[in-house]
Amino acid sequence: QQQVKQSPQSLIVQKGGISIINCAYENTAFDYFPWYQQFPGKGPALLIAIRPDVSEKKEGRFTISFNKSAKQFSLHIMDSQPGDSATYFCAASSIGNQFYFGTGTSLTVIP
Amino acid sequence: DAGITQSPRHKVTETGTPVTLRCHQTENHRYMYWYRQDPGHGLRLIHYSYGVKDTDKGEVSDGYSVSRSKTEDFLLTLESATSSQTSVYFCAISRQGYEQYFGPGTRLTVT
Repeated sequence: QQQVKQSPQSLIVQKGGISIINCAYENTAFDYFPWYQQFPGKGPALLIAIRPDVSEKKEGRFTISFNKSAKQFSLHIMDSQPGDSATYFCAASSIGNQFYFGTGTSLTVIP
Repeated sequence: DAGITQSPRHKVTETGTPVTLRCHQTENHRYMYWYRQDPGHGLRLIHYSYGVKDTDKGEVSDGYSVSRSKTEDFLLTLESATSSQTSVYFCAISRQGYEQYFGPGTRLTVT
């Protein structure tokens, strides 16, 4: 059973547009929800993360929206740029325990 | 890559042979993790460590063992490699069990 479900699998966005990636989880014990960005041939890099006590967190052009009651969270990339083209992974965890990752979203930003 | 090195970076081995991958950190972080990354599956946790000699299984631990005799080193061993273990393996570290930082990865091919 997949603990974290991520969609869409791939996404194509025009430069300047908004990219939205969604994740859903089942385990209400999760209390940490990060997003990772991965470029080809590289390891995933932590992008932004949120705890369930807030509904939104923004860092630059990246925003996480969190809906605790629906057990869903999403990544919004504003003013998407070609350099944002990468694979994005959501994840969920509780402290000291194992992380569960989504299956990834391949984002392509067209100039 | 946050003071994390993995060795080797690439390896080709034959079915049935033992293989050991090494993760080395210079950050003195408490937690260390081994993941495998496969298309369509995202990142899946193999084993993790929450201190020297303290390890636990992840969701895909069958066929793998780990050891951590020093804070800075976390070894992943495939006792008898199989073709299904062909994958990219990532090591990650975390100071407190939340933010994880990934190494550059090891591409393993089992023929």
